[in-house]
This record gives sequence, C-alpha cells and structure tokens, in this order.
Amino acid sequence: DTAVSQTPKYLVTQMGNDKSIKCEQNLGHDTMYWYKQDSKKFLKIMFSYNNKELIINETVPNRFSPKSPDKAHLNLHINSLELGDSAVYFCASSQKLAKNIQYFGAGTRLSVL
Amino acid sequence: LAKTTQPISMDSYEGQEVNITCSHNNIATNDYITWYQQFPSQGPRFIIQGYKTKVTNEVASLFIPADRKSSTLSLPRVSLSDTAVYYCLVTVNFGNEKLTFGTGTRLTIIP
Repeated sequence: DTAVSQTPKYLVTQMGNDKSIKCEQNLGHDTMYWYKQDSKKFLKIMFSYNNKELIINETVPNRFSPKSPDKAHLNLHINSLELGDSAVYFCASSQKLAKNIQYFGAGTRLSVL
Repeated sequence: LAKTTQPISMDSYEGQEVNITCSHNNIATNDYITWYQQFPSQGPRFIIQGYKTKVTNEVASLFIPADRKSSTLSLPRVSLSDTAVYYCLVTVNFGNEKLTFGTGTRLTIIP
C-alpha cells in the first residue's frame, strides 16, 4: 500500500491552462505539505495544512491554490500555467508533533510548453 | 537571507565512511534537524533526526555540535546503493520561522 500517493505522475500542458494535482495519504497524519523541486533540485515548501487548516503559505503566486477536503487529502490547483511552473511537485505528510519526519509521494513532473 | 547550505557533490569509494555537513546558522531554538535521502524519480525518504550531540540508527549517525549551527550526517561503509542526493531539513528563524531544506548534496559511490 502506498502511504502518500500523488496523481498524475506526469503532466504536460500548454501555457495558460489550469491543472490540478491530487494527493492522498493513508497514514492517519494530521499535516500535509506541498513542495516544489526545481531543475537544480532545490526543494522549497509551498503550503502546509493541519487538519484541513492552512498553516504555512510561503511566497507562492496566488495562481496556486491548495484545497484540503479532509485531512487525508491535499490537492493543488494551478491557474494560468506559466513556463516557470515547470518542476517536480511533491506532496508529503507528517504527524503534527513530528513535523520534520515527513513521508513523501513519488512526485508529479509538470512540464509547461 | 543565508541559505541552509551543503556541499554540492561528493564522491567516495565503496566501503568508506562518508560525512556530509549542513550549515544552518539561523536554526530555530526548539527545532530538530532531519536528514533525507532522495533517489532519482522518487520523493525524499527520512534517514535520521536529532536535536543535539549524537544520534545513531541502523543506517546512519548524526552529529550536532553544541551551538547547533551545523550538523553532519555520517554514513558508515557506503555501498553503490547509497548513491543519491542527501538533504538536511531544519526550521530557520529570520524573525519568523520557516521550514527549509538544505541545498542538497549529490553523493556518488565509486566501485
């Protein structure tokens, strides 16, 4: 059983389109995250939710909107995609009181053409 | 703002001990230091976590000096399967706290 699963694994789209990436965790964790990994492999946190409540919102364009329907899911919607959005996006989860021990999904490689 | 920095890359022969250091000058007072391993096309995977001094588990050791401004991941007797990118994760404080990954170290093990 996959602990943190993301879909799709690959996403190729045109500039200006709107797309979503889904994430689900079956670990019973309270906290979920979205990270962006660029071409230089730098990992940057974008958002974090705890029990469906937004707790971290880094300097990310408002074209990016996370949505957490329940604590097992954290989806990422991106409007008006730009070339610079091309990256690998990782979802992760953790227990609230052990926030640095995170379990990551396999990533979604987004290519904007 | 100072980054949480690591050497870009390291090479080592099989069977050697490898030490990877992360510099985190502005680490938050109450936060742990955590290290991850990432293979190509996979998400980062937890290796070890510590707060101070030394922590050891079945795969690695973590050394943290008293000032906690750096940490060193030690991998004993590396093998080819240890070839990966290694990241530290800390919370830094420049007035407000921010969860930050280090810049990552690409470790290549040579047969």
